[in-house]
Amino acid sequence: GDSVTQTEGLVTLTEGLPVMLNCTYQSTYSPFLFWYVQHLNEAPKLLLKSFTDNKRPEHQGFHATLHKSSSSFHLQKSSAQLSDSALYYCALSHTEGADRLTFGKGTQLIIQP
Amino acid sequence: EAAVTQSPRNKVAVTGGKVTLSCNQTNNHNNMYWYRQDTGHGLRLIHYSYGAGSTEKGDIPDGYKASRPSQENFSLILELATPSQTSVYFCASGGTISNERLFFGHGTKLSVL
Repeated sequence: GDSVTQTEGLVTLTEGLPVMLNCTYQSTYSPFLFWYVQHLNEAPKLLLKSFTDNKRPEHQGFHATLHKSSSSFHLQKSSAQLSDSALYYCALSHTEGADRLTFGKGTQLIIQP
Repeated sequence: EAAVTQSPRNKVAVTGGKVTLSCNQTNNHNNMYWYRQDTGHGLRLIHYSYGAGSTEKGDIPDGYKASRPSQENFSLILELATPSQTSVYFCASGGTISNERLFFGHGTKLSVL
């Protein structure tokens, strides 16, 4: 079956430093990959998703590149902001529309001043 | 922005009791989903539906039933609640290429004592 692995449960960084959250996956199909973000006491919401044409998705300064050879979709940002503190989920689906998402365990990102 | 409303926001139940969690969406989405969120497990799919009258088992359906009486409403039912079902439950709608994402409700925090 499908699975998503996020190796870091907690990442603590100082404001202004680069962010990289790891995500690898296993799937019998060629899946679509997503990053969802959940701020404290809020609902999870889509941050970005992989494209079928291998373009690099970007949103709010975050970007991720789908590497099919290494089954990875790491999330990156060049300079962390305090407002980036949140829970980040990597997820995969067999459809571009995100049907029946399989989520990783999540990475809690804490940005300190 | 698509709106998904869950009720109640908080629920305390007794072991062996029946619990019904409700979800309403006014976006005319065909697909709806129930996930539970637990630290160390992330978000896991319990049941989903592709339209009124249909329900499907997700990855962890044991101990749960679902009901989709209309396009707008999707309920999760715990016939005999157990302490292991203490969790935060999220409803979501969307999941098709026209929606391109899942829209989550704000969650129901359930405690089974």
